[in-house]
Amino acid sequence: EVQLVQSGAEVKKPGESLRISCKGSGYKFTSYWISWVRQMPGKGLEWMGRIDPGDSYTNYSPSFEGHVTISADKSISTAYLQWNSLKASDTAMYYCARADWIGLDYWGQGTLVTISS
Amino acid sequence: QSALTQPASVSGSPGQSITISCTGTRSDVGGYNYVSWYQHHPGKAPKLMIYDVSNRPSGVSNRFSGSKSGNTASLTISGLQAEDEADYYCSSYTTSSTWVFGGGTKLTVL
Repeated sequence: EVQLVQSGAEVKKPGESLRISCKGSGYKFTSYWISWVRQMPGKGLEWMGRIDPGDSYTNYSPSFEGHVTISADKSISTAYLQWNSLKASDTAMYYCARADWIGLDYWGQGTLVTISS
Repeated sequence: QSALTQPASVSGSPGQSITISCTGTRSDVGGYNYVSWYQHHPGKAPKLMIYDVSNRPSGVSNRFSGSKSGNTASLTISGLQAEDEADYYCSSYTTSSTWVFGGGTKLTVL
């Protein structure tokens, strides 16, 4: 069974750093991309970027480039989404999803990130 | 890169059919057949309902169908059921080698 299990909810202060994770199982991790999707409170889904775990190639939405970093460790089938300096506007639910040309076919359960002073 | 345009809300009675539109440009919807649709119930993970414009993943009801004409894709749900009430999002590949979502449509089953 394909599963993506994300790390738990986080509460951070502005300016702090954060890395959340997404562990894949039940399939060959390097055969599919991992995409990250943001949903701010009361808003829609936003595609942030993706990584090819096989070679760590990444590309980002222009809206997120430079603000987050996507990485992966294929040895433990885990992808990451990282911030170096959080802002209140980063408060959102973040989903990882298995991706290929057909779309995002399996999703993690989501990680709620709350940024508050 | 702008979000694809969807109506904010649609509604229908049980048994009826509804269609949700998704309008983009030649740089996304109009340029590729990589259009997908997602169903999102609040508090749950989104679910892929349609891929490559009109294909259904295994396990998705045949009440869901997709199509495309020019820069506009459409999702049709026939025989509406109460469980179909959710938010629906379209998504497309773009010429920037990225993906973009629509703004989302809230479906209300009356």
